[in-house]
Amino acid sequence: GENVEQHPSTLSVQEGDSAVIKCTYSDSASNYFPWYKQELGKGPQLIIDIRSNVGEKKDQRIAVTLNKTAKHFSLHITETQPEDSAVYFCAAPSGAGSYQLTFGKGTKLSVIP
Amino acid sequence: DAGVIQSPRHEVTEMGQEVTLRCKPISGHNSLFWYRQTMMRGLELLIYFNNNVPIDDSGMPEDRFSAKMPNASFSTLKIQPSEPRDSAVYFCASSQRLSEKLFFGSGTQLSVL
Repeated sequence: GENVEQHPSTLSVQEGDSAVIKCTYSDSASNYFPWYKQELGKGPQLIIDIRSNVGEKKDQRIAVTLNKTAKHFSLHITETQPEDSAVYFCAAPSGAGSYQLTFGKGTKLSVIP
Repeated sequence: DAGVIQSPRHEVTEMGQEVTLRCKPISGHNSLFWYRQTMMRGLELLIYFNNNVPIDDSGMPEDRFSAKMPNASFSTLKIQPSEPRDSAVYFCASSQRLSEKLFFGSGTQLSVL
């Protein structure tokens, strides 16, 4: 099955700075890589995802990059704001063609005003 | 759409009691997932249904756990008998057919004393 490692486990940044969270995966056949944001008391919410046929995807202040050779992908948040403070999870399919996701352990991001 | 609806939001019970968690997926979604979240193990997939049929229950920890999906708009996760180590947040998520994009409910915080 898939193994997803996520780093760092905690991250503190000043408001306006950038934040980067990295994940590695083990199954070279994986082709879908989502990022979820979880606010306190709520369920995870999909914020951005990328498929293996592209190397980068952007949505306003959020971007995801993918390096299939190295089997890692990263979440980039620019111009961070206090409302970006949350736990972020990466995920990858649990096997080739699988619609089940294996999640990383999460990164707690704190944006300091 | 109201999103994925879970009930109850909080459940406190004593060891040995039966616990039933409920989920209503988003209308039109064909796949339903039950996840468990703990600090130690993160988000773990327990069981996955497609078109009301259980596809993979390999994540169900023990025979004490069972899940049903009698129709497209309702699923239950039952723990009988419950134990203190079952304390966690249980999430239900749904997705459209053949899509990895998960929509999570707000979860049920279970405490077994």
